[in-house]
Amino acid sequence: QKEVEQNSGPLSVPEGAIASLNCTYSDRVSQSFFWYRQYSGKSPELIMSIYSNGDKEDGRFTAQLNKASQYVSLLIRDSQPSDSATYLCAVNEEGSGTYKYIFGTGTRLKVLA
Amino acid sequence: GAVVSQHPSWVICKSGTSVKIECRSLDFQATTMFWYRQFPKQSLMLMATSNEGSKATYEQGVEKDKFLINHASLTLSTLTVTSAHPEDSSFYICSVNPGTGHGQPQHFGDGTRLSIL
Repeated sequence: QKEVEQNSGPLSVPEGAIASLNCTYSDRVSQSFFWYRQYSGKSPELIMSIYSNGDKEDGRFTAQLNKASQYVSLLIRDSQPSDSATYLCAVNEEGSGTYKYIFGTGTRLKVLA
Repeated sequence: GAVVSQHPSWVICKSGTSVKIECRSLDFQATTMFWYRQFPKQSLMLMATSNEGSKATYEQGVEKDKFLINHASLTLSTLTVTSAHPEDSSFYICSVNPGTGHGQPQHFGDGTRLSIL
């Protein structure tokens, strides 16, 4: 059973701090990884995608990937109350031929003003 | 702008009614679309993969006769919840994969909130 695991939280951080969200996955051959943000009652929106080991930065967001450790993370710098949402880690299911995702259960982030 | 259009956004209907949800890919032709269901405070659960011109592939435990999927064109997939009951009340979300590469991210519709009375 292929799995993606996240701490459900809530993760509470003060405004302006760095929020660190973590995700581990079980399928060693996975190649594509995605972070989505989901506000309550809304559908997920793509934050970052990452495919290679190392860091990838986009504005206040940095995704980090370590395939050897089967670990992907998302850092949010200068956290804002508007960042309060559930963050979903998604991993492409290799070998399915259909680009299916395996989703984690999500981490709820609360940024305190 | 929106890449995926999902309609309707909200449905309230009586038990026993069949409900059709549409998912349209606006910017590209999509041979593959996905249908998810999400219950409150839970993550997205993949229900089925919709394949243009062929039968949908359902995930284990999802009743294909209850959740009918039609993907008749490269821009439209529909999910019909047949004879819906209160336990089918949920947030249904479709997504589209551009299909131009294995690592392309899925684009999600805005979702349909279904409430069965």
